[in-house]
Amino acid sequence: GAGVSQTPSNKVTEKGKYVELRCDPISGHTALYWYRQSLGQGPEFLIYFQGTGAADDSGLPNDRFFAVRPEGSVSTLKIQRTERGDSAVYLCASSLTLAGDGYTFGSGTRLTVV
Amino acid sequence: GENVEQHPSTLSVQEGDSAVIKCTYSDSASNYFPWYKQELGKRPQLIIDIRSNVGEKKDQRIAVTLNKTAKHFSLHITETQPEDSAVYFCAASKGSNYKLTFGKGTLLTVNP
Repeated sequence: GAGVSQTPSNKVTEKGKYVELRCDPISGHTALYWYRQSLGQGPEFLIYFQGTGAADDSGLPNDRFFAVRPEGSVSTLKIQRTERGDSAVYLCASSLTLAGDGYTFGSGTRLTVV
Repeated sequence: GENVEQHPSTLSVQEGDSAVIKCTYSDSASNYFPWYKQELGKRPQLIIDIRSNVGEKKDQRIAVTLNKTAKHFSLHITETQPEDSAVYFCAASKGSNYKLTFGKGTLLTVNP
């Protein structure tokens, strides 16, 4: 596609529920990143994929958060037993490995846990 | 890990004036420093970046300077326009395709 696509754009869920957030990167981009942005803050790194494997998941806050990228393209961020503190905008970005072009961010999914 | 501090948190200027936003970083291994512009409700967009083998880079009204010794880099916007109003984030990483550590952002308001 022309850009990084994230769905849904908005998600409201009840505390304790499970949610999945989807990211469709730019075609051919092998590196994919998930960030979380709370109100008034800069994006915070969650996880980075190179191809199908998670190269660095050091930013995932706890074991309720998990992400997959089974075919090296689309990625899904999964959050179990959601808490109100999980409310934020979840941003996905992709880049061409070793191209030095930097990231292209998607428009994000605004998650609200009530 | 890396820590990026950004100042000021808010900046208000008159149209046509210059704006300067400053960032410091803690990890001397960082070598890639992008700047992002984020309008309200929109995605962050890369506006300029600099690598550690360069001291300054310009793109029309925007310039970035880097002082590796001091671990300090700055964004300079000249001849500001109302459409420059947004939140600007600096970031640092150990390579242009690795995780970024962002500053907390600067809300720039350009008054007509």
